[in-house]
Amino acid sequence: GAGVSQSPSNKVTEKGKDVELRCDPISGHTALYWYRQSLGQGLEFLIYFQGNSAPDKSGLPSDRFSAERTGGSVSTLTIQRTQQEDSAVYLCASSGQENTGELFFGEGSRLTVL
Amino acid sequence: EDQVTQSPEALRLQEGESSSLNCSYTVSGLRGLFWYRQDPGKGPEFLFTLYSAGEEKEKERLKATLTKKESFLHITAPKPEDSATYLCASRSGNTPLVFGKGTRLSVIA
Repeated sequence: GAGVSQSPSNKVTEKGKDVELRCDPISGHTALYWYRQSLGQGLEFLIYFQGNSAPDKSGLPSDRFSAERTGGSVSTLTIQRTQQEDSAVYLCASSGQENTGELFFGEGSRLTVL
Repeated sequence: EDQVTQSPEALRLQEGESSSLNCSYTVSGLRGLFWYRQDPGKGPEFLFTLYSAGEEKEKERLKATLTKKESFLHITAPKPEDSATYLCASRSGNTPLVFGKGTRLSVIA
């Protein structure tokens, strides 16, 4: 596709359930980022993949959060045992050059935990 | 720890009323100061990168400038379509971008 694609665009789940959010980056982009945006807050960094290097997981808020990137392309962010404070928009971005700040964002996945 | 603070939180302008948005940063070893625009329900869209004090970048009615402690996004004669949230972000070393909370700009016709 022409841009970063995320799915689902909206997800409503019950507290305690697991959710998976998917990101399909721009073809050929080697860097992939997950950020979280809560109401009234800035973008919070979660995790960063660069090529075949070990991911930078320093932003994951708890061990309920994990992410993988298969074949250097599609990424899945998994949240286990969801809590109400996990409600936010989860944004994925990709970049074609290592260590550049020019990120291409998807439209996000809005997660609501009841 | 790198910090980025944006002000004001919200700004309401009349069409044609020029103004500036502020981004203050505390970063050791700045490797770029970035501006993004975010429309409601969309992901942020890249606008500018600034690397060193004194640098300026322009795009249509927007001009970004950088000093050693802050960056400004100047909006000249804004139009309603400039209404959006403007995000500032910094990078130090090889770390991912650190974003501010943004300035929500409304331009009234």
